[in-house]
Amino acid sequence: GAGVSQSPSNKVTEKGKDVELRCDPISGHTALYWYRQSLGQGLEFLIYFQGNSAPDKSGLPSDRFSAERTGGSVSTLTIQRTQQEDSAVYLCASSLEAGTDTQYFGPGTRLTVL
Amino acid sequence: AQSVTQLDSQVPVFEEAPVELRCNYSSSVSVYLFWYVQYPNQGLQLLLKYLSGSTLVKGINGFEAEFNKSQTSFHLRKPSVHISDTAEYFCAVSAGAAGNKLTFGGGTRVLVKP
Repeated sequence: GAGVSQSPSNKVTEKGKDVELRCDPISGHTALYWYRQSLGQGLEFLIYFQGNSAPDKSGLPSDRFSAERTGGSVSTLTIQRTQQEDSAVYLCASSLEAGTDTQYFGPGTRLTVL
Repeated sequence: AQSVTQLDSQVPVFEEAPVELRCNYSSSVSVYLFWYVQYPNQGLQLLLKYLSGSTLVKGINGFEAEFNKSQTSFHLRKPSVHISDTAEYFCAVSAGAAGNKLTFGGGTRVLVKP
């Protein structure tokens, strides 16, 4: 079946602009995660959604970052007033449930802030 | 909090030779352990995971890993590599019941030479 999809695959923006990154998880997966992969910081957890529970936002680096998950499916990660240090690959993953279920990753969105 | 150390940032290896990628972790609670592979310009793919039970875990593509609680290690091995194993490999831990966010190591880039 279809895997996790993310759009756009590449995004170039100017410093100070807002961007939205989209993630479509595998159908039926209740848990959804966002991670960031950058040269300086490696792979970092950002935020985690599980069903209707309040999201775990403990990895968001600043209040410029936010995410929502509508209808328990699609998620959007929004970065406001982008900075050059936000340049990274943003990865989305989903799993059937939280716990020990395997997280399946999407191909990522490469964000470049000029 | 958990942390993961991958001791080798790059590992060159000849085709058909064995390879071992080292991973050490620290955690104050029980953890689950994972190895992911990232092929060029692709997302992360799970190779194998340790949740409980036998400390020797077999994964896809001929990879295996051994969990050593006393040494807090989870090294990945393959007895004979192929050119197609050229990729970056990430060790990760999650604290299971405390949340399923993955904490990743810095990655090991494997370059298989003919």
